[in-house]
Amino acid sequence: GAVVSQHPSRVICKSGTSVKIECRSLDFQATTMFWYRQFPKQSLMLMATSNEGSKATYEQGVEKDKFLINHASLTLSTLTVTSAHPEDSSFYICSAREWDRTEAFFGQGTRLTVV
Amino acid sequence: TQLLEQSPQFLSIQEGENLTVYCNSSSVFSSLQWYRQEPGEGPVLLVTVVTGGEVKKLKRLTFQFGDARKDSSLHITAAQPGDTGLYLCAGTYMEYGNKLVFGAGTILRVKS
Repeated sequence: GAVVSQHPSRVICKSGTSVKIECRSLDFQATTMFWYRQFPKQSLMLMATSNEGSKATYEQGVEKDKFLINHASLTLSTLTVTSAHPEDSSFYICSAREWDRTEAFFGQGTRLTVV
Repeated sequence: TQLLEQSPQFLSIQEGENLTVYCNSSSVFSSLQWYRQEPGEGPVLLVTVVTGGEVKKLKRLTFQFGDARKDSSLHITAAQPGDTGLYLCAGTYMEYGNKLVFGAGTILRVKS
């Protein structure tokens, strides 16, 4: 149980285009989902927290108009990187948590490369 | 000052040696998780601790949670090359809602 599926695992896009990353909880209802960014050999940096049906809460310094997060259902959250630039290239990871659980389970991550 | 401090950042040891990774906070944890991550993959949950003084074992891994719930440690006995990876502690705090705050991580390399 507690499987989180993230798609795509890798994506290459051109500067100026938008990319959507999906995060699905396969066997539980994720009332809360988190989106992280990770640089090589570093820890995870929380970008935003989303609760199903509500607007996402963004961490300081994260542009909400650039990183659009939608959590429309209890099993799906999406992160859209708009007008991507090479500096947005990174490893993006989602995690999901059920309402009465303390543990969060992670997706496999998405390697985004903007050229 | 960071809310959650993890140390050491890097550890390179020989197969068979023991090691300990530490996670300390200035605030009381509601809960604390330890994860292991391999390159190009998402973190995998190893354990969750919630009770002060709690000790949990997972094969050669021993996890301790401090009595005051402000610190935790991960001890690996007789490390093997397969233990190589990034180890992350992450905690939740009552005053920060349901956010999961991560430590800086410990890169462990076990040489054969």
